[in-house]
Amino acid sequence: DQQVKQNSPSLSVQEGRISILNCDYTNSMFDYFLWYKKYPAEGPTFLISISSIKDKNEDGRFTVFLNKSAKHLSLHIVPSQPGDSAVYFCAAPKGGNMLTFGGGTRLMVKP
Amino acid sequence: DVKVTQSSRYLVKRTGEKVFLECVQDMDHENMFWYRQDPGLGLRLIYFSYDVKMKEKGDIPEGYSVSREKKERFSLILESASTNQTSMYLCASSPGTVAQYFGPGTRLTVL
Repeated sequence: DQQVKQNSPSLSVQEGRISILNCDYTNSMFDYFLWYKKYPAEGPTFLISISSIKDKNEDGRFTVFLNKSAKHLSLHIVPSQPGDSAVYFCAAPKGGNMLTFGGGTRLMVKP
Repeated sequence: DVKVTQSSRYLVKRTGEKVFLECVQDMDHENMFWYRQDPGLGLRLIYFSYDVKMKEKGDIPEGYSVSREKKERFSLILESASTNQTSMYLCASSPGTVAQYFGPGTRLTVL
């Protein structure tokens, strides 16, 4: 049973517009969330994280929002660029430095 | 920069063959992980190791075994490959924090 879910398998956005990737979780004990980005034929790379004591974390064009009451987090990319086209995974630690990952969302940014 | 390397980028094997996937990290990390990535299922943890000769089962260990004889090297073994083990295999390491660093992946096809 996935504790972290990404319900949109794909998202298409025009260059320059905002991309919003969503993630829902079931375990209210998660104290940290991470987003990873994966290009084809490469391993995932860490993008941004947020602690459960915060509701927002920003890093350049990337912002993650956390809504604990709804058990929902979202990654905003603005403005979106063609180089942002990749698969994005949200993840949460489930003990012992292990991570549980969502199913991923494939973002396509069209020029 | 952390570097995690995997022995093969692409591998084709036949049903019933024994398959070895090798992973090496150069940052003296304690923790190492093996995942498989399948569309819509995200990254699922097969095994992880928190020290030399130590291993723990992940979410989907069936049909796999691992070996960690040296700190920098973590091997995944498919004792008798089956077609349902066709997947992208990703190795990761971490220094005992939540963030994990991934290798480029091995795409394994079992015929």
